[in-house]
Parts: sequence; structure tokens; C-alpha cells
Amino acid sequence: EVQLLESGGGLVQPGGSLRLSCTASGITFINYAMSWVRQAPGKGLEWVSTISGSGGSPYYANSVKGRFTISRDNPKNTVYLQMNSLRAEDTAIYYCAKRNGGTYTGVDNWGQGTLVTVSS
Amino acid sequence: DIQMTQSPSSLSASVGDRVTITCRASQDISNYLAWFQQKPGKAPKSLIYAASSLQSGVPSRFSGSGSGTDFTLTISSLQPEDFATYYCQQYNTYPLTFGPGTKVDIK
Repeated sequence: EVQLLESGGGLVQPGGSLRLSCTASGITFINYAMSWVRQAPGKGLEWVSTISGSGGSPYYANSVKGRFTISRDNPKNTVYLQMNSLRAEDTAIYYCAKRNGGTYTGVDNWGQGTLVTVSS
Repeated sequence: DIQMTQSPSSLSASVGDRVTITCRASQDISNYLAWFQQKPGKAPKSLIYAASSLQSGVPSRFSGSGSGTDFTLTISSLQPEDFATYYCQQYNTYPLTFGPGTKVDIK
């Protein structure tokens, strides 16, 4: 059974930083691209970033480009999202999502989400 | 960026009803289209990928169709556990984009 467990969310002041982690189990991690998707309170889903299985070819939403960095540690089965220069509008639940294969495949599994609140 | 629209934005239906949700892309995305279900306070659940392929474990009452710019999600006989919000997403071109969602509630 595939499991994705996010951690690292919390309360941070505007301009601050936070690093989210997502650890996968039940899969050969390197075979799958991984994504982060967020959902602001009461809003719809917004794709944030995707990284290939090898760790190359990162993609970012325009709203986070230059501020967020996605990375992965395949021996640890973990994908990260380093978030810098955080803004109030980054407040959201952040979900980790496993893609079916490469970066141009659908998502088949989701984590439970971790809440990030940006507020003074 | 590719814009995704969904219609209707919400609908009320009864158990046993046939429900159809439409998703439209602003440009050709071939069949790189997925559908997700989300219940309040829960993570999304993947239903369909490649426009019409059911994810493992998804009931057969769910089906998807379409290619190019126009897609549909159909629930053949609505069950109590199907009341939720449904999102489409294109993954043909980065940045990936979601539709705004369709809320299905009880009539």
C-alpha cells in the first residue's frame, strides 16, 4: 500500500521560511515523479511544483517561482519543498502527490496534507 | 497557461441519479486530463487519468471521456458517498492547471 506522509507545516511570519517534507512508503520511489499541490482556505486546488524521479526537471507555478524549491532524496524516499519569502497568500494546506510515472503522468496517490499559515 | 473551466459549478442530485460534469481546456491537451474527488476536510482522491482510465479501486460507476479540449466525468448512479467536490486537471503542459471545481450535493 502506498503511503505519503507530509510534515513541516506550521505558523510562520511573512518573509519567513519553512521546509516541508513528504516521505513515501510502499513504492520504488525513484520511479515516480512527485508533486506538491496546495489549497487555500475555502478555495480550490492549485498545483505548486513537480520534480522527476531522478531529481531533475523541476517545474514551478508562476506564483512561487524564485521563492520555492523542490528537491528529493531518493535513498530516504523523501521529497521536500523549501519555501522562502513566504506571503500571506501562501497560507494553505500543502499536499504531496505521487505521479503515475514521469512528470507528464497523472497523480494516483495523495498525502493527508500539512497546514502552512503565514501570519504575523 | 492553459485555462480549465468546469460546468456546472454546483449541482444538486438524488441518490441513483446520473450525473455529468464537463471540463473544458483553453487549448488542445490531447488526453492528458485527470479527475479528482474531494470531500470536506479530506485530501483529494484520484479517480481518472488519461481522460478515461479508472484509477485502481475506483468504482465502475465513474467514467470519463473526451479528448482535445472537451471532457466529461459521469457518475452513472449517484451513491451517498459520492457527494463531494470534483476537480479536473490538465497535465499536458506546465504549469499544470486545475478547474475551479464542481460541488455535488444532495437534492
